[in-house]
Amino acid sequence: GNSVTQMEGPVTLSEEAFLTINCTYTATGYPSLFWYVQYPGEGLQLLLKATKADDKGSNKGFEATYRKETTSFHLEKGSVQVSDSAVYFCALSNFGNEKLTFGTGTRLTIIP
Amino acid sequence: GAVVSQHPSWVICKSGTSVKIECRSLDFQATTMFWYRQFPKQSLMLMATSNEGSKATYEQGVEKDKFLINHASLTLSTLTVTSAHPEDSSFYICSATEAEGNEKLFFGSGTQLSVL
Repeated sequence: GNSVTQMEGPVTLSEEAFLTINCTYTATGYPSLFWYVQYPGEGLQLLLKATKADDKGSNKGFEATYRKETTSFHLEKGSVQVSDSAVYFCALSNFGNEKLTFGTGTRLTIIP
Repeated sequence: GAVVSQHPSWVICKSGTSVKIECRSLDFQATTMFWYRQFPKQSLMLMATSNEGSKATYEQGVEKDKFLINHASLTLSTLTVTSAHPEDSSFYICSATEAEGNEKLFFGSGTQLSVL
């Protein structure tokens, strides 16, 4: 079956540092890949997605590239801000954005 | 943007009691809702899919008689954990969409259940 493995947290970085959160997956077929973010007290929100190999999803300065050869979808941001502190979930689905298979989530804390 | 309200945020109950978690779509009609749970240090796992007016479809390994899902209206779905036991302690989260296949999927903020 499908599975997602993501970097265990928590991750603590200083403001303006470079961020990478690793995500690898196992799946049948050609799934869509997602990164969701959950800010404190809020529901998960779609951050970015990619639907086919070599696609790059981007939003709010975050990027992730769908790498079929390495079955990875690592999340990156060049310069993080305190407001990026949240829990980040990598996910995949063979059914659009439904029936998502999630990773464990990575808690990110940015200190000023 | 669209909001999904989930209540309660956290609940503590005694073993053997039942707990109801509500998930409401505030500004759209949620034809389809999904329920997930996350045990400590594990992945968020899909438990069931419910369509308004129909019986829920449960994922393999999820006991339908223990986790009762009601989706009787287009704005409300409830998950009832019946005869809860400590092993049911988990983080439960709902999500909702206007229609299956719709691009827009909205999540509640989750419920942390602790069973003593």
